[in-house]
Amino acid sequence: AQSVTQLDSQVPVFEEAPVELRCNYSSSVSVYLFWYVQYPNQGLQLLLKYLSGSTLVESINGFEAEFNKSQTSFHLRKPSVHISDTAEYFCAVSDQGAQKLVFGQGTRLTINP
Amino acid sequence: DGGITQSPKYLFRKEGQNVTLSCEQNLNHDAMYWYRQDPGQGLRLIYYSQIVNDFQKGDIAEGYSVSREKKESFPLTVTSAQKNPTAFYLCASSIGGLYTDTQYFGPGTRLTVL
Repeated sequence: AQSVTQLDSQVPVFEEAPVELRCNYSSSVSVYLFWYVQYPNQGLQLLLKYLSGSTLVESINGFEAEFNKSQTSFHLRKPSVHISDTAEYFCAVSDQGAQKLVFGQGTRLTINP
Repeated sequence: DGGITQSPKYLFRKEGQNVTLSCEQNLNHDAMYWYRQDPGQGLRLIYYSQIVNDFQKGDIAEGYSVSREKKESFPLTVTSAQKNPTAFYLCASSIGGLYTDTQYFGPGTRLTVL
């Protein structure tokens, strides 16, 4: 069965510092990868997704993620974070066999001034 | 505005009582989903429905039931058989049931069993 591992449950960083949130998935023939963000006491919102094509995908608020097939990873990065990026971030994977999304455990990003 | 609404935002229930969580969408999406979120465990799929009058069990369906009588509505009942129901419940929908489709989430219902 497909599985997703987010290696860090919490990541504290200072404002304007770079950040990387790590995500690894179990290997499959064809996978589709998603990052969702959850602000406090809200539902999840799609941040970005990889379906095919360029392995580097970007969101409108400065985050990017790179699909690395050889390392089965889809790490999320931002070169300079803002207080408003404080949230929990979930990596998710789907494939044709599972026909459903499988979520990682989540990474709580805390931005310190 | 199109979106997904869940009600109520907070729900308290006594042990042994059934409770129904509401989920409505006006996005004209065919597929709908229910997830349970617990701290440190991510989201786990309870039930999903890809079309009206049809639904399938997810990974943790025991103690829950659903119905899909209308395209826009997918209520979840937490029964007294659910051993540990206190959690944050999220409803989602997608345009179809394909594994590539983006899922859109409601704001959630926090259920507390007293």
